Amino acid sequence: GAVVSQHPSWVICKSGTSVKIECRSLDFQATTMFWYRQFPKKSLMLMATSNEGSKATYEQGVEKDKFLINHASLTLSTLTVTSAHPEDSSFYICSADPLAGGINEQFFGPGTRLTVL
Amino acid sequence: ELKVEQNPLFLSMQEGKNYTIYCNYSTTSDRLYWYRQDPGKSLESLFVLLSNGAVKQEGRLMASLDTKARLSTLHITAAVHDLSATYFCAVIFNNNDMRFGAGTRLTVKP
Repeated sequence: GAVVSQHPSWVICKSGTSVKIECRSLDFQATTMFWYRQFPKKSLMLMATSNEGSKATYEQGVEKDKFLINHASLTLSTLTVTSAHPEDSSFYICSADPLAGGINEQFFGPGTRLTVL
Repeated sequence: ELKVEQNPLFLSMQEGKNYTIYCNYSTTSDRLYWYRQDPGKSLESLFVLLSNGAVKQEGRLMASLDTKARLSTLHITAAVHDLSATYFCAVIFNNNDMRFGAGTRLTVKP
């Protein structure tokens, strides 16, 4: 089946540092990848849609300069949280769509728990 | 406005009982998904429902879709402790906008 990995699975960092999270589709190519954040006991909030070879599309209210997304290849997208602060602490989940055009079946990564001290 | 509403948000039930989780959505949808999430874990896909009247079953879980009522249900039959988790429905609008419900936290007690 379609497998999506995320790395790291958890990270603790100091306030002001930057953190990079990787999302990889292991056995398929993903034209589109999605980044979500989830606060404790809450639903998933879409942050941005990442398309290979083009700029990411950010949802309203998401700072593109703070959450840098790079979709470098058809199997890798990265989310960099720049100058992280405690309020950025959250569970970040990526998903990958193996088909082009619209949203099709999404396969979710295992998530990355970010804690900013 | 594109909205997806789930209820109940919290559900505590005893083993062996039946219950239904509801997912309403605001406008015409292309597809509807049900996911399960265990604490600290990512989402596990349970069902995808594509058309009016679609019904899918896996073990003690059965999902259905009524596109006219804009309603999907996730029915739990004879609940067991292993089903304790948070269940999300997610709806795709306009083929490119996926919205999640708030989630239903299910606790099955012995």
